Amino acid sequence: QQQVKQSPQSLIVQKGGISIINCAYENTAFDYFPWYQQFPGKGPALLIAIRPDVSEKKEGRFTISFNKSAKQFSLHIMDSQPGDSATYFCAASIDGFQKLVFGTGTRLLVSP
Amino acid sequence: NAGVTQTPKFQVLKTGQSMTLQCAQDMNHNSMYWYRQDPGMGLRLIYYSASEGTTDKGEVPNGYNVSRLNKREFSLRLESAAPSQTSVYFCASSERGGRDTQYFGPGTRLTVL
Repeated sequence: QQQVKQSPQSLIVQKGGISIINCAYENTAFDYFPWYQQFPGKGPALLIAIRPDVSEKKEGRFTISFNKSAKQFSLHIMDSQPGDSATYFCAASIDGFQKLVFGTGTRLLVSP
Repeated sequence: NAGVTQTPKFQVLKTGQSMTLQCAQDMNHNSMYWYRQDPGMGLRLIYYSASEGTTDKGEVPNGYNVSRLNKREFSLRLESAAPSQTSVYFCASSERGGRDTQYFGPGTRLTVL
């Protein structure tokens, strides 16, 4: 099963709040989980990525939490800012496998 | 260093017309991809090319053809456009695929009337 399920579809957070986006997968062979960020009118760009040998990865205000047993991973944006308003995609891949499998995306709006 | 470039940025076609979307990368990447993005559907892979001279179908290849012209260029052709192909099309490249970062172009917004 190649699917990656992402929720919620859209999210509104007040400035300074925490944004949380969740993803779930079925294929236990996945071993690479990136998040891509897309601003309106632009192509997606890699934001942060994690491998399943760690449970958490933090880069600035962005944190990926990974739960291998539950086959879930999530993106947390601390102290959310209006400039974080974008669409976020989770994805999964397998080392040596050419393709990324993307979730359906979450449109985040951070209100001032 | 331009990264991934796509032409055109916008296009309007009538049903049945054909067109080719062009993509080029200057990062010496081996792998290139074509995606379409539709509301609520995320990014769906149309075709990809793991290396020069090879192409493979992705999730939604019907109605499209591709050509990996050389290492830099990967084109997507619509032979007979249909309204269902109205979408935003993204080209991407990565060094090898798998865990390598995919770099996306700015997209082509295509409308088929």
